[in-house]
Amino acid sequence: DQQVKQNSPSLSVQEGRISILNCDYTNSMFDYFLWYKKYPAEGPTFLISISSIKDKNEDGRFTVFLNKSAKHLSLHIVPSQPGDSAVYFCAASEEYGNKLVFGAGTILRVKS
Amino acid sequence: ETGVTQSPTHLIKTRGQQVTLRCSSQSGHNTVSWYQQALGQGPQFIFQYYREEENGRGNFPPRFSGLQFPNYSSELNVNALELDDSALYLCASSLGPTSNEQFFGPGTRLTVL
Repeated sequence: DQQVKQNSPSLSVQEGRISILNCDYTNSMFDYFLWYKKYPAEGPTFLISISSIKDKNEDGRFTVFLNKSAKHLSLHIVPSQPGDSAVYFCAASEEYGNKLVFGAGTILRVKS
Repeated sequence: ETGVTQSPTHLIKTRGQQVTLRCSSQSGHNTVSWYQQALGQGPQFIFQYYREEENGRGNFPPRFSGLQFPNYSSELNVNALELDDSALYLCASSLGPTSNEQFFGPGTRLTVL
């Protein structure tokens, strides 16, 4: 039973354009959502998070949107850069900071 | 500041054997979480340790066990290895059990033959 789903295994975007990565979840008890980025041979690194009391959070080129009624969140990267090419994981938890549930990841390729 | 380190990098075991994986948390972090990442999937939460006590566990059988030491480093032990245990094992440390951000190590790649 996949509680967090990233339905696009990969995404290819031109440098300078917007990258939109999507994530759906089924557990209505999830209260906290995060995005992690992973380069080959490295562990995931935290990118941005949002709590369920908000619908948007921005950090530089990265913005996360949360639609609780649709149980959907998305990560927008504007403008996309070649260094953004990585695997992006969506994660969620019921307990702040504990028991993170991850999606399967989306491979983002930014072409220069 | 030293990040999260894990050892060994790679490991090959045979079915039925036991394995111990090690994790050194980032300086100042008292909480360690372990995850299993099978090929093509996202990390799956195994358990979390906070101040040497288990503080939450995922859907893994009892043959997956852990320890946290006074210096907050941690071990993951897996007994009676099965072929499906082949995966990347990730350790993540954080400032506390409710900390916003977990810092991941590079992982240990375990292959069970």
